[in-house]
Amino acid sequence: GEDVEQSLFLSVREGDSSVINCTYTDSSSTYLYWYKQEPGAGLQLLTYIFSNMDMKQDQRLTVLLNKKDKHLSLRIADTQTGDSAIYFCAEPRPGNTGKLIFGQGTTLQVKP
Amino acid sequence: DSGVTQTPKHLITATGQRVTLRCSPRSGDLSVYWYQQSLDQGLQFLIQYYNGEERAKGNILERFSAQQFPDLHSELNLSSLELGDSALYFCASSPAGGTGGNEQFFGPGTRLTVL
Repeated sequence: GEDVEQSLFLSVREGDSSVINCTYTDSSSTYLYWYKQEPGAGLQLLTYIFSNMDMKQDQRLTVLLNKKDKHLSLRIADTQTGDSAIYFCAEPRPGNTGKLIFGQGTTLQVKP
Repeated sequence: DSGVTQTPKHLITATGQRVTLRCSPRSGDLSVYWYQQSLDQGLQFLIQYYNGEERAKGNILERFSAQQFPDLHSELNLSSLELGDSALYFCASSPAGGTGGNEQFFGPGTRLTVL
């Protein structure tokens, strides 16, 4: 399909792990991105993964990439209330442009 | 603070009017992107400029236009405004024009309300 797909909502308890999933569209995408949007703010790049990697770890964040299924996930370990935000995955469109296609965003709610 | 500035922060106007949104990219960034975020459409790419030239176009209406000036700041012009144009408009910038690890830095957005 044409759309990058994400589930819309995830609720976890503080201290648990959160896993946010994304299905992208283009198996030739070279980079895939995770952005975070806190209330009333713009988007902030959390991390990205190059397509020749299966996994990337950055402190509490782990990104897993399954190219065969065009599936990307973001795991947040020891989720904190400050992690409550909307998380977007994004993939570039083919061609030498910076055009990114974003998923609908997953709202992460962290309960104390 | 991403280093990208957008003005104004809020804009309230009436249907049929024309508005201009302004964006200043991070120092040294050559690309500027415009996005529209609304509840029903999500985050939609509108247009990209690279070093003054249009590089990529997305779902931008004919009533909307943009440009990037020699000092690299950009303006998004929205005309004949309709209720459905109410949204959050983000500007982003990046050092280069392509997507190879080319992180985009987002501004805080301009919230447009059309009454």
